[in-house]
This record gives sequence, structure tokens and C-alpha cells, in this order.
Amino acid sequence: LAKTTQPISMDSYEGQEVNITCSHNNIATNDYITWYQQFPSQGPRFIIQGYKTKVTNEVASLFIPADRKSSTLSLPRVSLSDTAVYYCLVVGTPGGSYIPTFGRGTSLIVHP
Amino acid sequence: GAGVSQTPSNKVTEKGKYVELRCDPISGHTALYWYRQSLGQGPEFLIYFQGTGAADDSGLPNDRFFAVRPEGSVSTLKIQRTERGDSAVYLCASSLTAPQGRHNEQFFGPGTRLTVL
Repeated sequence: LAKTTQPISMDSYEGQEVNITCSHNNIATNDYITWYQQFPSQGPRFIIQGYKTKVTNEVASLFIPADRKSSTLSLPRVSLSDTAVYYCLVVGTPGGSYIPTFGRGTSLIVHP
Repeated sequence: GAGVSQTPSNKVTEKGKYVELRCDPISGHTALYWYRQSLGQGPEFLIYFQGTGAADDSGLPNDRFFAVRPEGSVSTLKIQRTERGDSAVYLCASSLTAPQGRHNEQFFGPGTRLTVL
């Protein structure tokens, strides 16, 4: 299973851009990089997924360098409601495990 | 539309008792997952169903844990002889299809908070 490493916590302020970087040095060819967001007392919610280069949706952008050994989740102009735990996962088939492995995630706190 | 629902939302039981936790996935989702989450930790995979069958139960911690999905929709996680260490939030998730080459977005329920006294 590809192991991921991400900061345990981050602080930011409203209106700022937040970048959370995740390391996954042993990512396999078939693995996709996926990010989930979890608010207190709720289940995780899918944010974004990518394989390489850049992916953007209405919530976030995901930057993946050519070697795919890391990825960066970018949240533009965060608000207080973005305070949550963010999980980076690498998941893929065949050959790899299709079961998402959640680490401890990054606890993001957005201050007024 | 309706999301994943789980009942009960909270369950308090005594050590040694039997509990059942229920998950109603999103209609039409063939894949269903159970996770367990302890305070300050990420969700820990327990078991994955594709249709009625358990495709992967490698995360079940021991034989006190068992899950079923008899009609390919609702699933029940069963814990026998509960221990204090079983206390956690049990999360259920469903996805439209089985994982095929990429991760299929999982939709999580709110969880059941189990407390074993």
C-alpha cells in the first residue's frame, strides 16, 4: 500500500490560499491521488482526484508533479467553513489496493 | 437525493453485549464499505461489499466482528462480546460501482458512535 505523509495541522486566515502538500514516495503506476475533507461529527467527503499534472474543480485544485511522488491540494480564498481535516490517499487497481487508506490527515484551522 | 444513512446515531452498550449497526447506502450503489474511526485518527477500513458478497474483509480486527448485506443494499455490522476498545465511530460509505482502475468516489454516512462501558 502506498503510504502518505502530510502535515498534522495548518493554520490560515480567511481569504488566504491554502496549500497542503502530501508525500507519497512509493506511489504505484495504477494509483490515483485522492483527497477527502471531514468536518467534525460527519463522514469524509470527496474533494478531488487526479493522476498527473493539474486538476481543478469548483472546490479546489490538485497539483501533481511529473514524478507523482507528492501532490498539493490548493484551496483558494479559504473561509471559516473550510476548517476541517483533509486526507490525502493513493488508491488504485489492478495490482494496488483499491481500499482507501486514510492516515491522520491535516487539520486545517481557518481564523477570522 | 437521499444520502447514506446510518442507525442508530449513538449506541451505548455494556462490555460483553452484542450490537448491530445498520447502513442504508445510496440507492443503486453496488459497493459498500465499513470503516471505524477513533478520536484523532482517520477512518480505518473494515470490510468492503460488492453486491451481496464481502469482496474484502481484511480489515475486520477479529472474529467478533461480522457484516452482512443479504440483498445487496442495506448492510449490518455485527459486533459480538463488545469490548471497551471497540468504542469508536463506525462509518459506512457507498460508491456507484466497484473500484475499477481508479478510486470511485465514496459517499459517507454520518456514522454511528458506539460507546462500550
